[in-house]
Amino acid sequence: DAGITQSPRHKVTETGTPVTLRCHQTENHRYMYWYRQDPGHGLRLIHYSYGVKDTDKGEVSDGYSVSRSKTEDFLLTLESATSSQTSVYFCAISGPTPNEKLFFGSGTQLSVL
Amino acid sequence: DQQVKQNSPSLSVQEGRISILNCDYTNSMFDYFLWYKKYPAEGPTFLISISSIKDKNEDGRFTVFLNKSAKHLSLHIVPSQPGDSAVYFCAAITLRGGGADGLTFGKGTHLIIQP
Repeated sequence: DAGITQSPRHKVTETGTPVTLRCHQTENHRYMYWYRQDPGHGLRLIHYSYGVKDTDKGEVSDGYSVSRSKTEDFLLTLESATSSQTSVYFCAISGPTPNEKLFFGSGTQLSVL
Repeated sequence: DQQVKQNSPSLSVQEGRISILNCDYTNSMFDYFLWYKKYPAEGPTFLISISSIKDKNEDGRFTVFLNKSAKHLSLHIVPSQPGDSAVYFCAAITLRGGGADGLTFGKGTHLIIQP
């Protein structure tokens, strides 16, 4: 299995609070992704990174920001969490080239009350 | 607009029979199509893929068929086993232009294998 660790695995927070999810990889892969999974929507891309400090928006980026200061870490931040951001968040990696195969972490279940 | 569509939210199949999961797409620029399998409380795992220049790829009990003229692909599982019960996601990627923006997923089909 690809070495991908997501933390925390579960989080409950209140509306309006900032939240940061962490994805850590040990594969030295260049490409990292944040997806969210919701019933009836499948997996949707939030943000992605193609290198240190190189990031771009995905399909559902509003309300989210990301940072990648090191190859191994990709952080997803909800600046002011809303109930619509209650979801399961998955980090994925691929590399060293944009490969058709993504390897996923185990996910973070986030509940915003 | 959804580029990858899985129109069956769920599918129930008897153990030992064939499971056929379907997927349609609208973007003719996709280079690869993939199927991912997901168990509850786990991340999706890669199952099988097919290049857009092929029409069939087989791996053990799993076969993916691609019909480019119809913009349709299907995953066949023969024979179906209880451990195949999971959510299956169809996905696609365009590698031209770098391909760094990852996979586009369908909404998933929940496959239930009945004993």
